[in-house]
Amino acid sequence: AQSVTQLDSHVSVSEGTPVLLRCNYSSSYSPSLFWYVQHPNKGLQLLLKYTSAATLVKGINGFEAEFKKSETSFHLTKPSAHMSDAAEYFCVVRGKWGQNFVFGPGTRLSVLP
Amino acid sequence: DTEVTQTPKHLVMGMTNKKSLKCEQHMGHRAMYWYKQKAKKPPELMFVYSYEKLSINESVPSRFSPECPNSSLLNLHLHALQPEDSALYLCASSQGDRVSYEQYFGPGTRLTVT
Repeated sequence: AQSVTQLDSHVSVSEGTPVLLRCNYSSSYSPSLFWYVQHPNKGLQLLLKYTSAATLVKGINGFEAEFKKSETSFHLTKPSAHMSDAAEYFCVVRGKWGQNFVFGPGTRLSVLP
Repeated sequence: DTEVTQTPKHLVMGMTNKKSLKCEQHMGHRAMYWYKQKAKKPPELMFVYSYEKLSINESVPSRFSPECPNSSLLNLHLHALQPEDSALYLCASSQGDRVSYEQYFGPGTRLTVT
């Protein structure tokens, strides 16, 4: 069985400060992990993915995530938040061929001026 | 082109109406998905088509009827919906079923059932 926990339902940062969105997963298999962003009333956009290659993954818009197997974590970071980063962020795990995406509950990121 | 398109963007329908949602991708993807998303919640999987065959139906009520006419198109036929079916309906596609394949999402159809 697979599951995803996003430890914070809401994160608030000031513009220009670092962003940390936390994700922990559970999977019986070597997983693929994804981060998606969803702006209000929009579809989901892929930020980055981990698929058993490099453990530090770089994505779009300056986001990065590090896969830590020992901690079963895949936290998303960005050095400097921008107002346009305000959105909902979903961590997703996929652990076996044919199994579908398992979404975390989401973290809402607010960016204050 | 990494785009998934969905029409219409918004749909208001009564409980006795019949309507359809349409999804299209031209990336050569062989798996397509329908999700339902309520406000402040993650998407919930409804249906999966793999190589144009329905492979997963997540116990969705029969008032929702999916159709995959070809590898680029996915429809969702709606009939006798309930107000609680109001939600954002998202379509997605991926290259196939491999674990490493990401899904590409469309912008969604905002459905309101009156």
